[in-house]
Amino acid sequence: EVKLVQSGAEVKKPGESLQISCRASGYTFISYWIAWVRQTPGKGLEWVGFISPADSSPKYSPSFQGQVTLAADRSISTAYLQWSSLRASDTAMYYCARLHSNPWSEFGVVNYFDSWGQGTQVTVSS
Amino acid sequence: QSMLTQPPSVSGTPGQRVSISCSGSTSNIGSNAVAWYQLLPGTAPKLLIHTNNQRPSGVPDRFSGSKSGTSASLAVSGLQSGEEADYYCAAWDDSLNGLVFGGGTKLTVL
Repeated sequence: EVKLVQSGAEVKKPGESLQISCRASGYTFISYWIAWVRQTPGKGLEWVGFISPADSSPKYSPSFQGQVTLAADRSISTAYLQWSSLRASDTAMYYCARLHSNPWSEFGVVNYFDSWGQGTQVTVSS
Repeated sequence: QSMLTQPPSVSGTPGQRVSISCSGSTSNIGSNAVAWYQLLPGTAPKLLIHTNNQRPSGVPDRFSGSKSGTSASLAVSGLQSGEEADYYCAAWDDSLNGLVFGGGTKLTVL
């Protein structure tokens, strides 16, 4: 069974750093990219970025480029989402998800998230 | 403002058929495949439809997806109270070179 288990809720102050994690099991970790998705009441779901567990190469959404860092450790099947200096606007629920991707499909680019973590609530408040 | 446009809310009565639209452009829905996700209150998103109209195993056939041109649609037939949730469409956008979500639609079962 594919499982993605995320780290627990975090409460931080503005300017602090943070790393949340997503541990995968039930499949070959390096075979699928891991995505991060932000959920907020006002904006719904937003794609943060993807990371390849095979070589740790990231791809960021333009909206999040420079704001966060994606990382992965294939030795422990874990992906990470990192902030060096949190802002109140980073307050949200963050999900990791396994990406199923086929860029050369007859249907165009096929990208979908077939398994999701349970979510990590990040609250940034002074 | 999302690149994919969904109605903020739809509603129906138990047993009814409802449809949720997702309108995009040639750079996203017009060129690439659409997926749909269900967010039940307090739970993680769940994949309902991928590649425009494909249901993962375990998703009831009461859920169906379709795509025409730059628009897509999710239909739910035989509506049940347990399906009261937020629904999101998503697709790759060639201009953005990234994934875009719709703004989400809240389905209310009356």
